[in-house]
Amino acid sequence: KAGVTQTPRYLIKTRGQQVTLSCSPISGHRSVSWYQQTPGQGLQFLFEYFSETQRNKGNFPGRFSGRQFSNSRSEMNVSTLELGDSALYLCASSATGGTFYEQYFGPGTRLTVT
Amino acid sequence: QQPVQSPQAVILREGEDAVINCSSSKALYSVHWYRQKHGEAPVFLMILLKGGEQKGHDKISASFNEKKQQSSLYLTASQLSYSGTYFCGTEPKAGGGADGLTFGKGTHLIIQP
Repeated sequence: KAGVTQTPRYLIKTRGQQVTLSCSPISGHRSVSWYQQTPGQGLQFLFEYFSETQRNKGNFPGRFSGRQFSNSRSEMNVSTLELGDSALYLCASSATGGTFYEQYFGPGTRLTVT
Repeated sequence: QQPVQSPQAVILREGEDAVINCSSSKALYSVHWYRQKHGEAPVFLMILLKGGEQKGHDKISASFNEKKQQSSLYLTASQLSYSGTYFCGTEPKAGGGADGLTFGKGTHLIIQP
């Protein structure tokens, strides 16, 4: 089975711009979660989508949004980028989401905001 | 609220044992453990669901004390391949398992030959 893929792998943007990141989960997985990873804060949960519906949301401003398509692929969007948004953005898929299933992480998208 | 992991970092010789602790201020529904090697994605190790539950994965095991809201990860006879950053992720009991994971800041483990 192919693993979780994320595109692009690296991205450089300017403050004020917006960005869209893409995640393709493992085939058959219906849950996709997004995380922001920084050296200072570690792994922080952004949101989880299951069957095209946002099921959980972390404590991030409304500039961070996401969606999931019928084929379970997911995108996250960050509008009005700030310097502090520079981070590694990881997505993870699981079979159904929730407590009982492990998550499989993608390689991440490294976003640099200048 | 983020669970607190201790120690922040540990350096061991190959063959030595290590314990990594994860403590939460909230009542927990589950604890998840992941390992991340430098430049790679986190990899799932195990989930602990019930109070007092223990699980094993090769020479890596973990316990979950529901009453104390704590989990510990035990690495016995450590191997070079165990090097990496270990994260615990917790789900609050109030969510009944329906909330997202909150990860600790990680414990950096370095195994030297």
